[in-house]
Amino acid sequence: DAKTTQPTSMDCAEGRAANLPCNHSTISGNEYVYWYRQIHSQGPQYIIHGLKNNETNEMASLIITEDRKSSTLILPHATLRDTAVYYCIVRGGGDYKLSFGAGTTVTVRA
Amino acid sequence: SQTIHQWPATLVQPVGSPLSLECTVEGTSNPNLYWYRQAAGRGLQLLFYSVGIGQISSEVPQNLSASRPQDRQFILSSKKLLLSDSGFYLCAWSEESEQYFGPGTRLTVT
Repeated sequence: DAKTTQPTSMDCAEGRAANLPCNHSTISGNEYVYWYRQIHSQGPQYIIHGLKNNETNEMASLIITEDRKSSTLILPHATLRDTAVYYCIVRGGGDYKLSFGAGTTVTVRA
Repeated sequence: SQTIHQWPATLVQPVGSPLSLECTVEGTSNPNLYWYRQAAGRGLQLLFYSVGIGQISSEVPQNLSASRPQDRQFILSSKKLLLSDSGFYLCAWSEESEQYFGPGTRLTVT
């Protein structure tokens, strides 16, 4: 799997957008970018994934740069419940594995 | 809709004792199944995955084993627990690309 680099932690104000960066400079052409989050003492939760195009769902938006070497997860209106560790993962289309790194600890403050 | 169950939620076991953790999935057929472990303050490590009944792939050599006796049942076992087996054990399932995680079992080996 290609490795990803994320900031260790970041704070966000409640109600504001949270922009979470991820670098994946060695990503291959058939590898997807996945985002998961893990709220304390719970199992990880799938958020979104993409290959080349930007993606949006009810939870978040994923912006992938044209060269695919980095991406940003956007939580449009952060709430206190969004406080969690966010993992950016690169994974091949036929690969079963999800390789979790240290992620970004996001703290949403009132 | 699909749901995934794990039990027990917490477990305290002495060193040298056996272990059996169970995971079941409802609402889907022939899912891929996974066991992950998360040591305290660390990321998730894939331990085993299964693409069908009786088909188990091990990712890391260790003191644990896995079995899939039925399509939607995945069991993690050990004959003799070590202190280093302590952690948060998570079961996950997938049909296509996204993996969905259970609530986890927190194991403390004393």
